[in-house]
Amino acid sequence: KNEVEQSPQNLTAQEGEFITINCSYSVGISALHWLQQHPGGGIVSLFMLSSGKKKHGRLIATINIQEKHSSLHITASHPRDSAVYICAVEWEGFGGSQGNLIFGKGTKLSVKP
Amino acid sequence: GAVVSQHPSWVICKSGTSVKIECRSLDFQATTMFWYRQFPKQSLMLMATSNEGSKATYEQGVEKDKFLINHASLTLSTLTVTSAHPEDSSFYICSARSPSGSLGEQFFGPGTRLTVL
Repeated sequence: KNEVEQSPQNLTAQEGEFITINCSYSVGISALHWLQQHPGGGIVSLFMLSSGKKKHGRLIATINIQEKHSSLHITASHPRDSAVYICAVEWEGFGGSQGNLIFGKGTKLSVKP
Repeated sequence: GAVVSQHPSWVICKSGTSVKIECRSLDFQATTMFWYRQFPKQSLMLMATSNEGSKATYEQGVEKDKFLINHASLTLSTLTVTSAHPEDSSFYICSARSPSGSLGEQFFGPGTRLTVL
């Protein structure tokens, strides 16, 4: 079992739909990252969370430390949101809060016009 | 699955010295490799994109003369931190993308912890 599980693996939505991507993890963490990867490019960091909720534009990320779960929401989705969204956790097993990253496998999102 | 290794996994050096970090794709050929940096309590930041056989493309604010990137083969990219200073202490992560991979098939190395004294 992977330490970081994302669901769904693939997601197709119509423009304007509300989208939720989930991330569950099984290790103790100091922080959780949501990353976005567009075709041909590197990764863009969307959020880093250690508790609660963060919002940036149409993106909202939440984390529940007790339940070891995080969600990424996209409101009023747009075709330009099409990308792979990756959850990554900083685990406490190495160097405390400066631990190594464990990445989820990503969720491929396609938003159709 | 595909494996990307980094060496060393951690390094401590004196200020003013240069440090080389290697990123290798072990079971596939990577035409593109990415280098990221993560400072404590901060998120990943893309430093540069490295394409085999050509010069790396650096992100805004990253000094190309300080962070030398070489991608001499399809399985190896190196990042050299020249004249390292304590502010360069960070966690450096590489990732590699297979040329036959579809969207999302980017594989990450485990990272290198650099501490500059």
